[in-house]
Amino acid sequence: QLQLQESGPGLVRSSETLSLTCAVSGGSIRTTSSSWSWIRQAPGKGLEWIGSVYHSGTTYYTPSLKNRVTISIDTSRNRFSLRLTSVTAADTAVYYCVRPSDGPGVWFDPWGQGTQVIVSS
Amino acid sequence: QSVLTQPPSVSGAPGQRVTISCTGSSSNIGAGHDVHWYQQLPGTAPKFLMYVNSNRASGVPDRFSGFKSGTSASLAITGLQAEDEADYYCQSYDNNLNGPVFGIGTRVTVL
Repeated sequence: QLQLQESGPGLVRSSETLSLTCAVSGGSIRTTSSSWSWIRQAPGKGLEWIGSVYHSGTTYYTPSLKNRVTISIDTSRNRFSLRLTSVTAADTAVYYCVRPSDGPGVWFDPWGQGTQVIVSS
Repeated sequence: QSVLTQPPSVSGAPGQRVTISCTGSSSNIGAGHDVHWYQQLPGTAPKFLMYVNSNRASGVPDRFSGFKSGTSASLAITGLQAEDEADYYCQSYDNNLNGPVFGIGTRVTVL
């Protein structure tokens, strides 16, 4: 059974860089999906897709974060990562790593358990 | 403000039927993009519930059903049970944002 597990600091200072890693287990990151994604949920808010990375390294990001976000993949270590620069309090959220479905009509399954990140001033 | 509009809350007594609407526009649902649904129990990660408008994910009881028409979609829960109390999110794809989009979520309360 494919499982995803996020890891990284739970507290980041304002203006610094948030870095998270998602470890994929129960399957190869190269063969169980053509891409991998990050989604976040601010306190009391809905879900926001951050971006996706393909095995080729091609990435797609939501426009509002495009200038600050980098998603990368490490197939040798079966994991992918999120980097968000110049964070503010608005970046405080639970961050989830997820597997998108392949083909048209993309949906997300499974989800990691999520990791809480608080941006402090 | 989400691209997809959902009612903030719906409620029903055990055994009743509730419906959650998800309204989009010509750049997402109306453009022919499919709608998917997720259930988020309190304090947990979202769980994949339904894909491509009306297909239940593995293990999802047939009390859950989905429908899509025009620029809107809906999720219905029949025979409401206490364990259905959760937040429900719709998701589609938006041509203007060039990526997946979610609704703001609907809290289902079992009275």
